[in-house]
Amino acid sequence: QKEVEQDPGPLSVPEGAIVSLNCTYSNSAFQYFMWYRQYSRKGPELLMYTYSSGNKEDGRFTAQVDKSSKYISLFIRDSQPSDSATYLCAMKATGTASKLTFGTGTRLQVTL
Amino acid sequence: DAGITQSPRHKVTETGTPVTLRCHQTENHRYMYWYRQDPGHGLRLIHYSYGVKDTDKGEVSDGYSVSRSKTEDFLLTLESATSSQTSVYFCAISESRGGSSGKGSYEQYFGPGTRLTVT
Repeated sequence: QKEVEQDPGPLSVPEGAIVSLNCTYSNSAFQYFMWYRQYSRKGPELLMYTYSSGNKEDGRFTAQVDKSSKYISLFIRDSQPSDSATYLCAMKATGTASKLTFGTGTRLQVTL
Repeated sequence: DAGITQSPRHKVTETGTPVTLRCHQTENHRYMYWYRQDPGHGLRLIHYSYGVKDTDKGEVSDGYSVSRSKTEDFLLTLESATSSQTSVYFCAISESRGGSSGKGSYEQYFGPGTRLTVT
């Protein structure tokens, strides 16, 4: 079993929809959580970063962490075609220098 | 791409040949990483460096070596390329500051990638 599980999709939504992307994890030592966006044939780009349970907002994006359930989410409001990309979750455990464990990514398609 | 360049961007090589990929950063970040990205596996860490001449293995290090003689450059070498090493390779950097309040700064920033094909 992988330490981080992420549904690969693809997830197709109409423009303007609210998108929910999720990851579950098994390692309770994970304390730092990140979301990356990766466009086709590009490098991953950091979107959100959080280290605590609860919600963190940045514009149309909200990152949510539930450490008791080992579950993290990324919500995208008013989704746009430019949001079409693969979204990767990443996590870091305490005491592991700066090594991250990544989910396999969810491919999102926002249609007109 | 946060002041990170990778070269070459594309390479086709034959099985058994040595290959070196270069990562160059202008951010003066302490940590540098090499990942490979494959369908169904996501990003997997090959090797990383926590300073000049200080490197360590990641989860998929077999068949790869690295060197870091300057802060800004991190080289990944495939000593004898195999078809299983066909992949997209990404370099990443991080500052990895530990905060006094327990709030760390561990974000990693990625380069544009190198697409390697071993025939």
